[in-house]
Amino acid sequence: DAKTTQPTSMDCAEGRAANLPCNHSTISGNEYVYWYRQIHSQGPQYIIHGLKNNETNEMASLIITEDRKSSTLILPHATLRDTAVYYCIVRVGGITGANSKLTFGKGITLSVRP
Amino acid sequence: DVKVTQSSRYLVKRTGEKVFLECVQDMDHENMFWYRQDPGLGLRLIYFSYDVKMKEKGDIPEGYSVSREKKERFSLILESASTNQTSMYLCASRSMGWSFSGRQTYEQYFGPGTRLTVT
Repeated sequence: DAKTTQPTSMDCAEGRAANLPCNHSTISGNEYVYWYRQIHSQGPQYIIHGLKNNETNEMASLIITEDRKSSTLILPHATLRDTAVYYCIVRVGGITGANSKLTFGKGITLSVRP
Repeated sequence: DVKVTQSSRYLVKRTGEKVFLECVQDMDHENMFWYRQDPGLGLRLIYFSYDVKMKEKGDIPEGYSVSREKKERFSLILESASTNQTSMYLCASRSMGWSFSGRQTYEQYFGPGTRLTVT
């Protein structure tokens, strides 16, 4: 699976959009981009994933660049409860990827300030 | 809702003891995983299992073994606990599935974690 690089930390004001970047310049054509987050003292939680189109769900939006070498997770209206470590992961999809592992890096610590 | 439960939230064991960490999921998922998490190192995969009686080594399997006799249960075993195995242990399960929109989804569900201290 391709490696990802994320900044170590960032902060944003409550109510504002939080834009979390991720670089995955070695991503291959059949690899998906996944985002998870981990709130303190809890297990990681799935947020969203995508292949090449932008995706949106009730938690967040995922914007993937046309060359797929980077992506941005957007929390449109950050709240204090969004303070967490956010992990960007790429892994193979399809049947090939069905039994493969997720490799978590160190993630980015998002601090939402009042 | 998918539920992944771990047998203990906190555990204290002595060096040299045999330790069993149990994980149970209630969604008939094929894949199950054991990770450990340490400050500054993120989550590291110890072992995973993609079906009953199947297991694969992750990135740091040394000092650990696993057992998957039933689909819903995945056990992590520390044969002889050592102080460097003091850590937070997280179990996860995953289904090979498709969402209603027709997109493949391999969402992984995590348990609450077991904080193991080896003294």
